[in-house]
Amino acid sequence: AQSVAQPEDQVNVAEGNPLTVKCTYSVSGNPYLFWYVQYPNRGLQFLLKYITGDNLVKGSYGFEAEFNKSQTSFHLKKPSALVSDSALYFCAVRDVGVGKLIFGQGTTLQVKP
Amino acid sequence: NAGVMQNPRHLVRRRGQEARLRCSPMKGHSHVYWYRQLPEEGLKFMVYLQKENIIDESGMPKERFSAEFPKEGPSILRIQQVVRGDSAAYFCASSPSSSHSNQPQHFGDGTRLSIL
Repeated sequence: AQSVAQPEDQVNVAEGNPLTVKCTYSVSGNPYLFWYVQYPNRGLQFLLKYITGDNLVKGSYGFEAEFNKSQTSFHLKKPSALVSDSALYFCAVRDVGVGKLIFGQGTTLQVKP
Repeated sequence: NAGVMQNPRHLVRRRGQEARLRCSPMKGHSHVYWYRQLPEEGLKFMVYLQKENIIDESGMPKERFSAEFPKEGPSILRIQQVVRGDSAAYFCASSPSSSHSNQPQHFGDGTRLSIL
């Protein structure tokens, strides 16, 4: 069965510092991986995806993610955090068969000024 | 371009009543997914529909829950005889009709269902 794990419930970062939000996955076959962000009382906004190709994927709002097949990880990164990046972040893997997304538990990112 | 539209944004029901949640996908999208987000939890898949067809309902509770996506009109998630445990945020997502495996799903802002 496919699954995604986000080992940290919360990540705290000072504004201007680099941030990393961790994600590991377990799939059979090639993974289709996604990162989404959720602001309070809103839906999920797509940030970036990995399907094939370069292991470093660039996405919206300056975010990027590094795909590591040997470590089965897909960590979300940003070189310099903003207070406005504070939100709930979800990693997800796509079920290749029917397309449904399987989400991690989410990580709350808190960026302090 | 309008995104995924869900209504109502907030819905309050008493135990035993019915709840109907609506979702209009993005223009040009014919694949609709419903997810549920319980408090302090991640999103859980419920059902995947294409026009007039249920493709995967493996995440739907066996009783009281049903979904449809008619030829005309929005997708409907229906919960009969609601109980307190149904209180959650329900999100709809849509994706294009072709090569959907590579395309991200686009989410609506959800319906927050509260059961009194």
